[in-house]
Amino acid sequence: GENVEQHPSTLSVQEGDSAVIKCTYSDSASNYFPWYKQELGKGPQLIIDIRSNVGEKKDQRIAVTLNKTAKHFSLHITETQPEDSAVYFCAASKSNDYKLSFGAGTTVTVRA
Amino acid sequence: KAGVTQTPRYLIKTRGQQVTLSCSPISGHRSVSWYQQTPGQGLQFLFEYFSETQRNKGNFPGRFSGRQFSNSRSEMNVSTLELGDSALYLCASSTAGYLENEQFFGPGTRLTVL
Repeated sequence: GENVEQHPSTLSVQEGDSAVIKCTYSDSASNYFPWYKQELGKGPQLIIDIRSNVGEKKDQRIAVTLNKTAKHFSLHITETQPEDSAVYFCAASKSNDYKLSFGAGTTVTVRA
Repeated sequence: KAGVTQTPRYLIKTRGQQVTLSCSPISGHRSVSWYQQTPGQGLQFLFEYFSETQRNKGNFPGRFSGRQFSNSRSEMNVSTLELGDSALYLCASSTAGYLENEQFFGPGTRLTVL
């Protein structure tokens, strides 16, 4: 089955700096890569996603890049703010599989 | 539009008991998936239902089961509870077709087994 690895497991950044989280996947058939943000006591919230026919996608301060050849994708958060502090999960999915395979998560702390 | 709702939010059971968790998807969503989240294993897929049919199942023992009703609401059941079943159980819903793998999660049910 699909194996998604996520690094780093923890990330501490100064407010205003950028944060980058990287994930690799094993199944070349995977074609959908979402990122979720989970705050304490809440369920994961979809923040951005990318499909395999696109190399990069941006939404305000958040961007995701995908390298299909190398089978890795990354989340970039610019101008970090204290409210960006949370656990972030990457995931991978393929058509007609109806499930997400998640990375282990990255705890991001933004220092004021 | 209301999000995914899960009931109850918290549950305490003892070993050997059984439990039923409920999930109401976003209006218009026909696919419901269940995940188990633990500190040690992370987020693991349990099963997915669409139009009352299970389309995929994760690697969990037969004590874990689920079903979906005609209104797309779903329940999952865990029988003969074990201490290791303590976890946050998350339900996610999605629409059909091209966007069907965009899954939106509920707040989860926190199950504690004593």
